[in-house]
Amino acid sequence: DQQVKQNSPSLSVQEGRISILNCDYTNSMFDYFLWYKKYPAEGPTFLISISSIKDKNEDGRFTVFLNKSAKHLSLHIVPSQPGDSAVYFCAASPFTSGTYKYIFGTGTRLKVLA
Amino acid sequence: ETGVTQSPTHLIKTRGQQVTLRCSSQSGHNTVSWYQQALGQGPQFIFQYYREEKNGRGNFPPRFSGLQFPNYSSELNVNALELDDSALYLCASSFGGGVTDTQYFGPGTRLTVL
Repeated sequence: DQQVKQNSPSLSVQEGRISILNCDYTNSMFDYFLWYKKYPAEGPTFLISISSIKDKNEDGRFTVFLNKSAKHLSLHIVPSQPGDSAVYFCAASPFTSGTYKYIFGTGTRLKVLA
Repeated sequence: ETGVTQSPTHLIKTRGQQVTLRCSSQSGHNTVSWYQQALGQGPQFIFQYYREEKNGRGNFPPRFSGLQFPNYSSELNVNALELDDSALYLCASSFGGGVTDTQYFGPGTRLTVL
């Protein structure tokens, strides 16, 4: 049972435009969410996080939006750059969990076209 | 500052064999988590060690075991290898075992079981 879903395996966007990556989750206990970026032959790199007490968190060109009622989060990248081309994973965890455990989605491959 | 390193990079084993994967955590980090990433999937949490004590375990059989050393490096051992164990094994280190403690991933070990 996939508790964290990224339904778009891939996405192509023109350089300078907005990239929107989506993630849905099913477990209402999840209240801490993260996005990781992964380049080939490298480990995932932390990008941005959000806890359920917020509905938006911004860091430079990256903004994560959380819609708890819809159990949906999205990552916006504005403006998109060719260096953003990577696989993006969303992950979720119960914030109060005594056991550190992230549940990852299957990833979305973003390609930013120059 | 040295990042997270893993060895070996690639490994080929046959079914029934045993394997040991190694991880050196980032300087100053006291927590190591191990993940399995099968092809086309997101990373799946195996277990975490915090200051040499196990601090949580995912849904993996007992033949997946590990330990953490006093210098906070770690090993993942897999006994009685099965074909489905073929995957990228990632370790991540952090300062602290909490959900909000940012994890820094190594590049992974690619294990192929024939």
